[in-house]
Amino acid sequence: KAGVTQTPRYLIKTRGQQVTLSCSPISGHRSVSWYQQTPGQGLQFLFEYFSETQRNKGNFPGRFSGRQFSNSRSEMNVSTLELGDSALYLCASRPTTATNEKLFFGSGTQLSVL
Amino acid sequence: GQQVMQIPQYQHVQEGEDFTTYCNSSTTLSNIQWYKQRPGGHPVFLIQLVKSGEVKKQKRLTFQYKEAKKNSSLHITATQTTDVGTYFCAGPPNSGYALNFGKGTSLLVTP
Repeated sequence: KAGVTQTPRYLIKTRGQQVTLSCSPISGHRSVSWYQQTPGQGLQFLFEYFSETQRNKGNFPGRFSGRQFSNSRSEMNVSTLELGDSALYLCASRPTTATNEKLFFGSGTQLSVL
Repeated sequence: GQQVMQIPQYQHVQEGEDFTTYCNSSTTLSNIQWYKQRPGGHPVFLIQLVKSGEVKKQKRLTFQYKEAKKNSSLHITATQTTDVGTYFCAGPPNSGYALNFGKGTSLLVTP
């Protein structure tokens, strides 16, 4: 099976712009979670989607949004970018939202905001 | 809300020395998972602990889930340079589905 695929791998944007990141989960996985990783802050949960519905949301401003398509692929959008949004954005999939299921992470999208 | 904390934040050891990282949750966890992220890589699942008092081993790695199910530890015996990376613990929140991750312990091993 192919792993979790995230595109693009790197992205450079300027303040005020918006960005869309894409994630294709492992085939058969219906849950997709998004995390923001910055040095010293670890992995901060953004949101999780299951069957095209947002099931859980982290403590991030409304500029961060996402969606999931019927094929389980997910996109994350950040509008009005700020310098502090520079981070590695990781997507993870699992078959369902059962809390005892492990997460399979993609390689991430490294976003730099100038 | 639930918080998952890890100590230490960084650890620098000589190859061959032992290493331990500790994970503490503000609430009881139904299970705890451990992940490893190599430099420049992404987190990779290592193990899941479910039962109170559980101890699991993977070669030189020993994982323990303490009796109160709020604390866990990862111990590496005789570290090798291949152990370099950041080790994260994660547990499910009281409500919702997503895993809450600790900030991780970054391990550096010098030969």
